[in-house]
Amino acid sequence: AQTVTQSQPEMSVQEAETVTLSCTYDTSENNYYLFWYKQPPSRQMILVIRQEAYKQQNATENRFSVNFQKAAKSFSLKISDSQLGDTAMYFCAFIWSYGKLTFGQGTILTVHP
Amino acid sequence: EAQVTQNPRYLITVTGKKLTVTCSQNMNHEYMSWYRQDPGLGLRQIYYSMNVEVTDKGDVPEGYKVSRKEKRNFPLILESPSPNQTSLYFCASSNGVVNIQYFGAGTRLSVL
Repeated sequence: AQTVTQSQPEMSVQEAETVTLSCTYDTSENNYYLFWYKQPPSRQMILVIRQEAYKQQNATENRFSVNFQKAAKSFSLKISDSQLGDTAMYFCAFIWSYGKLTFGQGTILTVHP
Repeated sequence: EAQVTQNPRYLITVTGKKLTVTCSQNMNHEYMSWYRQDPGLGLRQIYYSMNVEVTDKGDVPEGYKVSRKEKRNFPLILESPSPNQTSLYFCASSNGVVNIQYFGAGTRLSVL
């Protein structure tokens, strides 16, 4: 069974600084996909970034980037130039072609002015 | 506007009273899924559907039923709700199993 672990229940960062959220996963699959979703206080789930396991290049979306270490089964999210609007709960998620999507427990990120 | 619509947004019910949470998407997506979100546990998949008439269990299917008679709709049915089903529920859809999932706004369910 696939598992996803986010070991940081809460994180905080000052506005304009950089923060990294950790995620590790366990799977015996070789082809899979990893995601980071953001859930602001509105509860809406918003995709932040997506990484295909077969791609060695780390995904980047504006201020958001990942450090994907396939051998270590690690998938961390780096947020640069943090903004107040980044305050949210962040979920790491894993899926493979079979269709089951597994989420981590979430990390609450607070950006302070 | 592309969207996933869940109804109702909030629901308070009593133990044993059957209820249905509806989910509809207007993006012609094949893949749809239901999740529940509980503090400290993240989101856990209840059921998913790869296409019409094709459904499968997620990680926490006990106490829930689903059906996929039409591509756009994927209702979640609680035949006999119990207090441990009090949770925040999300429906999601995507145009492929491994593609971006679009989430509904969530349904807050309380079972007394």
